[in-house]
Amino acid sequence: GQQLNQSPQSMFIQEGEDVSMNCTSSSIFNTWLWYKQDPGEGPVLLIALYKAGELTSNGRLTAQFGITRKDSFLNISASIPSDVGIYFCAGQLDQGGKLIFGQGTELSVKP
Amino acid sequence: ETGVTQTPRHLVMGMTNKKSLKCEQHLGHNAMYWYKQSAKKPLELMFVYNFKEQTENNSVPSRFSPECPNSSHLFLHLHTLQPEDSALYLCASSQGMGSNQPQHFGDGTRLSIL
Repeated sequence: GQQLNQSPQSMFIQEGEDVSMNCTSSSIFNTWLWYKQDPGEGPVLLIALYKAGELTSNGRLTAQFGITRKDSFLNISASIPSDVGIYFCAGQLDQGGKLIFGQGTELSVKP
Repeated sequence: ETGVTQTPRHLVMGMTNKKSLKCEQHLGHNAMYWYKQSAKKPLELMFVYNFKEQTENNSVPSRFSPECPNSSHLFLHLHTLQPEDSALYLCASSQGMGSNQPQHFGDGTRLSIL
């Protein structure tokens, strides 16, 4: 079946640094989504991308839908302690609501 | 407050028990989903409902039985579970099932099977 490869699996950074993570797939998607999950909570939608090549920002977060439709990246600029959590990418191909998730990137930020 | 409420937040049950998980969404959405989240694994889609009709069963064992009485409520009935079923069970909803209609998640039920 379809799989997403998300990297890195974990990151330990200093407050103020920029962060980059990405997802790749052997299959194309029509939608890429980025979620963040804090401990004890469900994933919260950060950014949704609907068009190949699209670059979208949400505050300090920027995400891009790869031109081949097989990849996406998420950048976080000037990280702060509350950025700590697990970030998931997800792709959707069809109209059937089926999301495929990456394995997650666990981010730790040192003050 | 995500607009998707799951109860209970934590559940411990024996393998012979019967229990139910509940999900309620206040977003006016028409599609609802159950996912399983195990440690170190990607979220796994279990069931999809659209306008109360099941549209996807992702090869889920019959010891998990979903029920969707209306577009705002979704249940997952559990019976004779196995230790490997211990996980975080997440409910999500979306306006529709189109690829331009993102899913919004509840905070999950942490299930532990003794």
